[in-house]
Amino acid sequence: NAGVTQTPKFQVLKTGQSMTLQCAQDMNHNSMYWYRQDPGMGLRLIYYSASEGTTDKGEVPNGYNVSRLNKREFSLRLESAAPSQTSVYFCASSGGQGAGEKQYFGPGTRLTVL
Amino acid sequence: GESVGLHLPTLSVQEGDNSIINCAYSNSASDYFIWYKQESGKGPQFIIDIRSNMDKRQGQRVTVLLNKTVKHLSLQIAATQPGDSAVYFCAENPWILTGGGNKLTFGTGTQLKVEL
Repeated sequence: NAGVTQTPKFQVLKTGQSMTLQCAQDMNHNSMYWYRQDPGMGLRLIYYSASEGTTDKGEVPNGYNVSRLNKREFSLRLESAAPSQTSVYFCASSGGQGAGEKQYFGPGTRLTVL
Repeated sequence: GESVGLHLPTLSVQEGDNSIINCAYSNSASDYFIWYKQESGKGPQFIIDIRSNMDKRQGQRVTVLLNKTVKHLSLQIAATQPGDSAVYFCAENPWILTGGGNKLTFGTGTQLKVEL
């Protein structure tokens, strides 16, 4: 099993450009998440999907949209990138929404917005 | 607002010594805590977790202690090895406050450096 995979690994955008970050998991998990990690900080939740067909905002959703394409895939879209969105983006998945459900993380996408 | 934080940003230990990484949390309603390890250029990796009805939980070379009285969480690594060098994050799930759901709040992280 590959676990959680993310593409691309690196991306440089100009202010105002758009892009979609892709995430897929092969663990048959119901829940998926998008986090951002800024230098010297912990991860902050952007959006999550408790189950296929549902999405909800996390702590920092402004400037982002998500799509739960199917059970395996959860994408994050930046419609008009801003320098403040320069960050490392992590996707994660878990079996469900219970408090004890472990979240498994992908390797991250390093995004720079000029 | 509620937050999870770490006391020390960097911890240097000698190989073979025990490491203790601390975390303070302010949300008394949190009922689930997790420690993650993040190596350079990689995503966080689950280490160990503990529920609020426990004081201590042991894994392989790692122990998590929870003191709910002072809202303190610690991660102990026995016989620290060079491969333990990484950033360690604590995270909490204030499950009741968030209306259920697996939403984690992460601390800022502690860099553990193992010296040979």
